[in-house]
Amino acid sequence: DAKTTQPPSMDCAEGRAANLPCNHSTISGNEYVYWYRQIHSQGPQYIIHGLKNNETNEMASLIITEDRKSSTLILPHATLRDTAVYYCIVRGNSGGSNYKLTFGKGTLLTVNP
Amino acid sequence: NAGVTQTPKFRILKIGQSMTLQCAQDMNHNYMYWYRQDPGMGLKLIYYSVGAGITDKGEVPNGYNVSRSTTEDFPLRLELAAPSQTSVYFCASSYQGSGGYTFGSGTRLTVV
Repeated sequence: DAKTTQPPSMDCAEGRAANLPCNHSTISGNEYVYWYRQIHSQGPQYIIHGLKNNETNEMASLIITEDRKSSTLILPHATLRDTAVYYCIVRGNSGGSNYKLTFGKGTLLTVNP
Repeated sequence: NAGVTQTPKFRILKIGQSMTLQCAQDMNHNYMYWYRQDPGMGLKLIYYSVGAGITDKGEVPNGYNVSRSTTEDFPLRLELAAPSQTSVYFCASSYQGSGGYTFGSGTRLTVV
């Protein structure tokens, strides 16, 4: 699996958009970008994933650059409850041994009042 | 629909004791996983299973055993507890090889 690089921490004001970057310069053509978050002491929670097109759901938007070497997770209106560690994970298609998720240290997002 | 249920939530073991961490899911997911998370670190995969009767080692399997006799249950066994196994253990499941995992709430284990 391709490795990812994320900043260790970020701050965001409540009500503003939170933009979390992720670099994955060695991503290969069939690898997806997944985002999870982990609120303190809880199990990780799936947020969103994408291959090459931008994706949006009720939680967030995922913007993937055209060369697919980086992506940004956007929380459009951050709330205090969005304070968590956010993990960016690159994973191959299902099959073989490529379906396991490998978690790094992620980005601690702190939403301030 | 309970999702992934882990028991117990907390446990203190003495060095050399054994215990089984329970994990059950009611989503008919065939893939299940066990991770551990040490303080300030990311999750590390211990064991995983792609279906009943099939298990395989992950990144840090030493000191642990698993079994998968049913689709719903995936218990993790610690045989001779050591202080290095003090951690938070998370169980997860997914449909087929989907990357959209559902995680349990974790078991916080302390070995003294």
